[in-house]
Amino acid sequence: QQKVQQSPESLTVSEGAMASLNCTFSDGTSNNFRWYRQHSAKGLEVLVSIFSDGEKEEGRFTAHLNRANLHVSLHIREPQPSDSAVYLCAVSREGNYKYVFGAGTRLKVIA
Amino acid sequence: AQTIHQWPVAEIKAVGSPLSLGCTIKGKSSPNLYWYWQATGGTLQQLFYSITVGQVESVVQLNLSASRPKDDQFILSTEKLLLSHSGFYLCARDWGGAEQFFGPGTRLTVL
Repeated sequence: QQKVQQSPESLTVSEGAMASLNCTFSDGTSNNFRWYRQHSAKGLEVLVSIFSDGEKEEGRFTAHLNRANLHVSLHIREPQPSDSAVYLCAVSREGNYKYVFGAGTRLKVIA
Repeated sequence: AQTIHQWPVAEIKAVGSPLSLGCTIKGKSSPNLYWYWQATGGTLQQLFYSITVGQVESVVQLNLSASRPKDDQFILSTEKLLLSHSGFYLCARDWGGAEQFFGPGTRLTVL
């Protein structure tokens, strides 16, 4: 059964510094990876989806995928206090329709 | 514009009482639909998914059931609520594995 783990559990960064979040998964056949943001138990906002090894950029958010290492990361460029939220990693396999989420990383951006 | 409407916004129910939560999708037809649950402070867990009207697959057993009576409607229900059903329920949709978008959620408190 797929296991998805995120690290760190919480992260505090200064406004403008790069924030880096990590996600490891156990099923090497996974090929659908998404990063979401959740503010205070509200609906999720999709940030970036990535389906093949390498990098995918969406504005200030960049995902890096290395399936051989079972690792996907999210980098936030020039974070702002409004980026403070819980960031969730979701992993699935195309055509599987089952998504496994990590427990999240709580990011705090201080001015 | 494609939108997801969930109802009710919040609900307080007694243990043993019935429950029905709804989700309506506006926009493109034939979406894949999903129900998720998040206990307070817990990890988001997928409960059900449906790729077509009348067909629902269970992912996690929580003494809940789901139905898709119309292409744009997804219902989550149970005849007897448990304390453990408290939490945040999210409906989501995607098309063909593309980005999954979430509704605003329903907060359920079982007393």
